Amino acid sequence: EVQFLESGGGLVQPGGSLRLTCTASGFTFTTSAMSWVRQALGKGLEWVSDISVSGTTYYADSVKGRFTISRDNSRNVLYLQMNSLRVEDTSVYFCAKSSRVAGMDVWGQGMTVTVSS
Amino acid sequence: SYVLTQPPSVSVAPGETARITCGGNNIGSKSVHWYQQKPGQAPVLVMYYDSDRPSGIPERFSGSNSGNTATLTISRVDAGDEADYYCQVWDTSSDAWVFGGGTKLTVL
Repeated sequence: EVQFLESGGGLVQPGGSLRLTCTASGFTFTTSAMSWVRQALGKGLEWVSDISVSGTTYYADSVKGRFTISRDNSRNVLYLQMNSLRVEDTSVYFCAKSSRVAGMDVWGQGMTVTVSS
Repeated sequence: SYVLTQPPSVSVAPGETARITCGGNNIGSKSVHWYQQKPGQAPVLVMYYDSDRPSGIPERFSGSNSGNTATLTISRVDAGDEADYYCQVWDTSSDAWVFGGGTKLTVL
C-alpha cells in the first residue's frame, strides 16, 4: 500500500523552528519528486516546496529563506525544516508524491503546525 | 505570478451535471490537475494532465482545457461528490505550483 507516515508537527512560538518528517512506503521513493502543501484552517491549498529526484529544490515566495526541503533516499524520508516561524505559518502541512505531468497522486494525512505565543 | 480563478461555489441537484471552471491566462498551454477534498481529509487527485483519470476515479469525472479555461465536469452528481475542488498547474515562469482558490460543490 502506498502511504506516508508524517511526524513533527506541534505548537511553537513565533521565531521558533520545527522539522516535519514524512516517511514513504509502497512506491519507489528514489524516482519520485516530492512536495509539501499547507492549508490554513478554513482556507485553500497553498504549495510550500518541492524537491526533485536529483535534489533540486523549489520554494513558495512566502517561505523562501526560512524553510528548507530535503530528502534522504536511503531511508525514504522527506523533510521540511521550518525556521523563523510566523503566526501566518499556522496550517495543516501535507506531504505528497508529485509530478509536473501527473499531479500529486499520493498525499499524507496531514499534520498541524501552530505558531503562537 | 500566475493566478488561477475558480468560482467559490457551485450547486447542483442530484443526478445533474456539475461543471467547475478554472481560469488562467492561456491555461490551455499548461497541464491542469484537479483535486477533491472532503472535510477533515487530505486532497485526492481526481484528474491529471487535463483529462486523465487516476485509477479508482469514476468515469463520471471528466476534464477539458482550452484557451483560458479548464473545466472539471462531474456527471450524474450524487451526495458523495459534495466537497471542495481545486485546480492546479505548474507555472514554469516562477517554477512554482499554483492552486486555484477552490470551489465548494454543494449537492442540493
